[in-house]
Amino acid sequence: QVQLHESGPGLVKPSETLSLTCTVSSINNYYWSWIRQSPGQGLEWIGNIYYTGGPNYNPSLKSRVTISVDTSSNRISLELNSVTAADTALYYCARSKGFRGNVYFDYWGQGILVTVSA
Amino acid sequence: EIVLTQSPGTLSLSPGERATLSCRASQNINTYLVWYQHKPGQAPRLLIHGASTRATGIPDRFSGSGSGTDFTLTINRLDPEDFAVYYCQHYAASPPVTFGGGTKVEIK
Repeated sequence: QVQLHESGPGLVKPSETLSLTCTVSSINNYYWSWIRQSPGQGLEWIGNIYYTGGPNYNPSLKSRVTISVDTSSNRISLELNSVTAADTALYYCARSKGFRGNVYFDYWGQGILVTVSA
Repeated sequence: EIVLTQSPGTLSLSPGERATLSCRASQNINTYLVWYQHKPGQAPRLLIHGASTRATGIPDRFSGSGSGTDFTLTINRLDPEDFAVYYCQHYAASPPVTFGGGTKVEIK
């Protein structure tokens, strides 16, 4: 049974850094992605990382995003800096199949809502 | 960036009917297309990958077809649990991967 669980603050102030963690049941041999869905908007792939490292990012967010992995604790982390209200979204972690940035998602977490507001 | 356009935006059908959902890509993506089902408050669920291969555990009333730029998800004999939003997504070369805007299948 593949399990993913996102955690982190539900409220972040504008201009600060959004930090989320995804804890998975088994991290090895897969890419792991972050995806978000803004209220009333579509789904947007943020980026991913292989379990041994080597992130790939959406060009639209690349300047603000860092994704990292900790295999000892089965965790994948997301940092998005200089956030604005436009970064308010439901953030998902997902196991990814494929190669580097060309992936699809066979298991998803339930998602975590992050609101950017003062 | 490849744009995926889903139609219709909303499909109103009764249980037992057939649903036909369309996804059109702005350029050739061969069969690098997947379909997801998403219900409120739940994790999205992978239905189809490679345009036509059902994911593990997906009932055979779900089928996918197409290649190139035009794709279809067909749900035969709609079950009450099938009413949800459906998204297509490509994973062809030239990232980023992108998603369609979704089709909501609602009970008529």
